[in-house]
Amino acid sequence: QVQLVQSGAEVKKPGASVKVSCKASGYTLTTYGISWVRQAPGQGLEWVGWINPNTGDANLPPKLQGRVAMTADTSTSTVYMELRSLRSDDTAVYYCARDSRSGGHFDYWGQGTLVTVSS
Amino acid sequence: DVVMTQSPLSLPVTLGQPASISCRSSQSLVYSDGNTYLNWFQQRPGQSPRRLMYKVSNRDSGVPDRFSGSGSGTDFTLKISRVEAEDVGVYYCMQGTHWVITFGQGTRLEIK
Repeated sequence: QVQLVQSGAEVKKPGASVKVSCKASGYTLTTYGISWVRQAPGQGLEWVGWINPNTGDANLPPKLQGRVAMTADTSTSTVYMELRSLRSDDTAVYYCARDSRSGGHFDYWGQGTLVTVSS
Repeated sequence: DVVMTQSPLSLPVTLGQPASISCRSSQSLVYSDGNTYLNWFQQRPGQSPRRLMYKVSNRDSGVPDRFSGSGSGTDFTLKISRVEAEDVGVYYCMQGTHWVITFGQGTRLEIK
């Protein structure tokens, strides 16, 4: 069965960087994209970006371009999302989700990773 | 960015009664391939979102048939024919037609 397993919670200071991992199993990583979605405490869902694990091409929303980087390691079926220059309003649960237009977007989700930014 | 507007934002429902959530987009969600990439998600308390419907009206595997999706263009609806206790949570619509992918604000369904 398809599973996306994410790394554990992180606490970071403002200005630092965080790297969250998402390990896929139950399917071939290179056959689907991966999107990242975040949810601030008590708030709704916000799309953070998408990566094609086969090519490494990424698509990022303008508000996060320059601070977000997404990479994939196909040998371990793992995708990474790095967020730099952290601010307090980056505090959120970050989810990875399997994403393909043909599959209708976001059919499987990881369990979420809480990133807390606090001085 | 395409703005997704849901209503109502809070939905108290009696067990066994129907429920309906509206989602309107600021632009047409019909893609160049003819498909409409409008999804619905359910998020139960403390859980990851779960996809219920994709491309407007396609129900995901394991989703009860009391859930249905409809609509076209800019106007979409998620209906629950008879609400059960396990349906409590927040429901989000999402459009994947236009980059940037955007979500509605969420509708909180609670039992009256």
